Amino acid sequence: GAGVSQSPSNKVTEKGKDVELRCDPISGHTALYWYRQSLGQGLEFLIYFQGNSAPDKSGLPSDRFSAERTGGSVSTLTIQRTQQEDSAVYLCASDRAYNEQFFGPGTRLTVL
Amino acid sequence: QQPVQSPQAVILREGEDAVINCSSSKALYSVHWYRQKHGEAPVFLMILLKGGEQKGHEKISASFNEKKQQSSLYLTASQLSYSGTYFCGTAFGNEKLTFGTGTRLTIIP
Repeated sequence: GAGVSQSPSNKVTEKGKDVELRCDPISGHTALYWYRQSLGQGLEFLIYFQGNSAPDKSGLPSDRFSAERTGGSVSTLTIQRTQQEDSAVYLCASDRAYNEQFFGPGTRLTVL
Repeated sequence: QQPVQSPQAVILREGEDAVINCSSSKALYSVHWYRQKHGEAPVFLMILLKGGEQKGHEKISASFNEKKQQSSLYLTASQLSYSGTYFCGTAFGNEKLTFGTGTRLTIIP
């Protein structure tokens, strides 16, 4: 595909369950970002992968959140023991060496 | 550090002009501007590198004042399609992009 893809597009889960969100960046893009956006709010940075460097995890809100990027391509964001305050849209973006970021359509997570 | 955007929100009548500012407490290397329409992902508008250049995109242009550590986005003769939330993103050298809090722009007929 030509753009960043994310799956699932919507996820409804029960409090306490674990969820995995997937991001497929644009081929050849070395940088990958995860953001969280609550309704009507800004872009909250979560984690940043750049090439083979150690990821910048400074934005992860708690140790329930983790992410990995396999083979410099696909990334998975995992939220363990979900809480209601985790409900938000999770956006993934990729770019090629500090140029424009291309965003995926996002995953809307609802924790009941 | 997160850049500060002003104003937080603005309402314009179609055809009016607007300016959105983005200020940083650190020396800027580059500034990105993005627009997010309701229910959609942010879309890139333009990037400015240090050097005080100005860029344009349709009737939307931006400037980068390195000395003031500030960038401004200019929307002239606004159209209904310009409605959305505008985010600036700042980067310092090779560090990650950091987005501002956003400016909600509403254009009314």
